[in-house]
Order: sequence, then structure tokens, then C-alpha cells
Amino acid sequence: DAGVIQSPRHEVTEMGQEVTLRCKPISGHDYLFWYRQTMMRGLELLIYFNNNVPIDDSGMPEDRFSAKMPNASFSTLKIQPSEPRDSAVYFCASSLVLAAGYEQYFGPGTRLTVT
Amino acid sequence: GNSVTQMEGPVTLSEEAFLTINCTYTATGYPSLFWYVQYPGEGLQLLLKATKADDKGSNKGFEATYRKETTSFHLEKGSVQVSDSAVYFCALSDPTSGTYKYIFGTGTRLKVLA
Repeated sequence: DAGVIQSPRHEVTEMGQEVTLRCKPISGHDYLFWYRQTMMRGLELLIYFNNNVPIDDSGMPEDRFSAKMPNASFSTLKIQPSEPRDSAVYFCASSLVLAAGYEQYFGPGTRLTVT
Repeated sequence: GNSVTQMEGPVTLSEEAFLTINCTYTATGYPSLFWYVQYPGEGLQLLLKATKADDKGSNKGFEATYRKETTSFHLEKGSVQVSDSAVYFCALSDPTSGTYKYIFGTGTRLKVLA
């Protein structure tokens, strides 16, 4: 399996622009997680889905952020409008929850820079 | 609520030194415990895990034992290598609390000098 795929790997955009980050989870996995990582705040869970349905979006920082999962093989995280404080590395991870100790498989991340 | 506390970094060691990174947790149910590693420019990857008390997880020379009495899951390695330089995250999952999300610690950066 190719693992979790994220695109783009790097994104540089200007403040106010719309940004869309993409994720393809591992085939057959039933959970998908979006994280943000910064030096100041560490690793933060933004939202997670189970079978394409959002379960917990309490980590989404504000209304400028939205996430969708239209099918089992694709998810997007959108920021509109973007701000410099959104600069971070965004990770997508997926899991197959069969029993205790399920592993989360992380993608390589998208490094977002908002100028 | 559930939480994970791990020692602050950075930790700097010479090659072949002994490594300990402390991790303690608070959980209301019966969590599984994990150590993840993040190499520069990459995502996190599972290093080892333990799903119940007294279990020992091990991988690539790293070990950690699930200690319920001390609510700890300390990471150890007997002889570190330069290639072990990375950020290490302790984490727990506790579906009995009604959620499948992980709780991650803040991460500990390890630098190993040749």
C-alpha cells in the first residue's frame, strides 16, 4: 500500500487566499484524522471522521476552517480566508479500528506558509 | 479528562548512551499506550505500543512497559545511535471514554551526537 497520501507537500499563499489541502487515506481504513503541528502549540487534532462522517470537530480553530470527506478515499481541509497564523504543517492520518491498540498511520504532511 | 505528560526536551546524548524519556498519563478508562517517532520532514510513525497493564512494547531496540500503578510508559533504549535523532511522542487512546482520538504528549526532541 502507498500509505496515506497528502497533497500538496508545500503550499505558499498570500493572506486572504483560499487554501485546500488534500488527503487520501489507506484503503479500507474507517477513521480519518486531521492534525496541525506548530512549534508553539505542538500537535493539535482538528477534526476526525468515521466512515466519512465528522465525529468531533471541536479542534477546528474557527469558522475559516472546514473539512469534508465526500467518500472513503478522499478528504479535504479548507481554509478561507487564510491568515499568517495558519502557517503550520498539516497532517492527515487514518486508522482501521478493529481492537484496542489501533495504529494511526500518518501522511507526510503539507507545509503551509501564509504570507 | 485524559492527558499525557512527557518530559521536556531537548535531550542531547552521545552515541551509545542510555536513553530514558519519561511519560505519565491520566485516563478514566483502560487506555492503550503508544510511542510515536517523527524524523525531520516526515509524519509520525508508530514505534511501539502496549494495550494493557504490564505489557511491554518493543521495537528497534526501544522498549516501554505499561505501568498502571505509576500510570507511566517510559521509553528506554540501551544504546542510542545518531540515526535515533528525532522527536518522540507519547500517546494514549481510550475508546471506553467514548472517543477514538489519540491524546498526544508535547513531544521530546532527541539529539544524538557522534
